[in-house]
Amino acid sequence: AQRVTQPEKLLSVFKGAPVELKCNYSYSGSPELFWYVQYSRQRLQLLLRHISRESIKGFTADLNKGETSFHLKKPFAQEEDSAMYYCALSGQTGANNLFFGTGTRLTVIP
Amino acid sequence: KAGVTQTPRYLIKTRGQQVTLSCSPISGHRSVSWYQQTPGQGLQFLFEYFSETQRNKGNFPGRFSGRQFSNSRSEMNVSTLELGDSALYLCASSNRANYGYTFGSGTRLTVV
Repeated sequence: AQRVTQPEKLLSVFKGAPVELKCNYSYSGSPELFWYVQYSRQRLQLLLRHISRESIKGFTADLNKGETSFHLKKPFAQEEDSAMYYCALSGQTGANNLFFGTGTRLTVIP
Repeated sequence: KAGVTQTPRYLIKTRGQQVTLSCSPISGHRSVSWYQQTPGQGLQFLFEYFSETQRNKGNFPGRFSGRQFSNSRSEMNVSTLELGDSALYLCASSNRANYGYTFGSGTRLTVV
């Protein structure tokens, strides 16, 4: 069965400090991993897809199949990064059903 | 281009009633999925529709149902409402498998 674990409910970092939001998954096949972000009073929006290997707003995430992890990283946190971050997994080829982690609330302290 | 539109934004219903929520996906998106978000359970997948067919279903009771129309608009229905059904219901659409979703703002359902 699919499972996504985000071990930290809350994470606070100072502005300019590096940030890493952890995500571990459990899935027997080849998963598609995503990071979604929800800023205050805004809708949930896609931040990153592992398949595209892109960097959005300075964030990157690398899929580590050996450690079954997909941690989200940014070298220098900004105040506008404060938000709720969700890691999600889609395990079924051709399908669009996502399994979400419980989310990590990131607060960047000025 | 217009985003995913969900109506209504807020809804208050009484236990035992039924409710229908509506979702209009982004033009051209054929996959529509529904999620329930609660403080206790987080974001949980309800079901996905593609070309008017339910393609996937989450682990929810049969009181939760949905459908998709030929224009890709989707509705979800909850019958015999229970207090525990109070949640934010999110709709999301996509135009490619495993490409990622675009979410709507949600419908906040309160059951009293």
